Amino acid sequence: GAGVSQSPSNKVTEKGKDVELRCDPISGHTALYWYRQSLGQGLEFLIYFQGNSAPDKSGLPSDRFSAERTGGSVSTLTIQRTQQEDSAVYLCASSESTSYTDTQYFGPGTRLTVL
Amino acid sequence: GQNIDQPTEMTATEGAIVQINCTYQTSGFNGLFWYQQHAGEAPTFLSYNVLDGLEEKGRFSSFLSRSKGYSYLLLKELQMKDSASYLCAVRDLNRKGRRALTFGSGTRLQVQP
Repeated sequence: GAGVSQSPSNKVTEKGKDVELRCDPISGHTALYWYRQSLGQGLEFLIYFQGNSAPDKSGLPSDRFSAERTGGSVSTLTIQRTQQEDSAVYLCASSESTSYTDTQYFGPGTRLTVL
Repeated sequence: GQNIDQPTEMTATEGAIVQINCTYQTSGFNGLFWYQQHAGEAPTFLSYNVLDGLEEKGRFSSFLSRSKGYSYLLLKELQMKDSASYLCAVRDLNRKGRRALTFGSGTRLQVQP
């Protein structure tokens, strides 16, 4: 079946502009995660959605970052007033949270470059 | 990543065996994962350990010791395509994000002919 998809694959923006990144999880997966991976760094958790529960936003680095998940499926990560330090690869993952392993499957990521 | 340590780089020869170690600290351990990530691509799931012992899956095996906070990934019969970064990640229910994973910085493995 189809895996996690993300769009766009690359985004170049100017400092101060807003950007939206999209994630389509694997069909039927109730959990969705956003991470970011900066150059030479490990993946950093940003936000987590589980079903209809309120999202866990504890990893968001500032109030410029927000995310929503519509209809329990597609998710959008929005970064307002982008800064150069926001440049990173933003990865989305989904999982069947009810399974024993709850393995997360990752999308190809969006590479964000803030000039 | 915080509290997860793995070597930054390793080099091995095609056909050989390599072991990539990972140490971690958690208060609410709920599983350890290994992912493979080729340059410019998404991490792909390799293995999962939640109980002590060895899990074998083809050429790849993963070991866990919860009491020591230690895991390793063993790659046998190395192939050139195994050149990639290997990410160790843990799920700690007492950390932010609960079911989210905390990743190490990854071990870049270079397989040489």
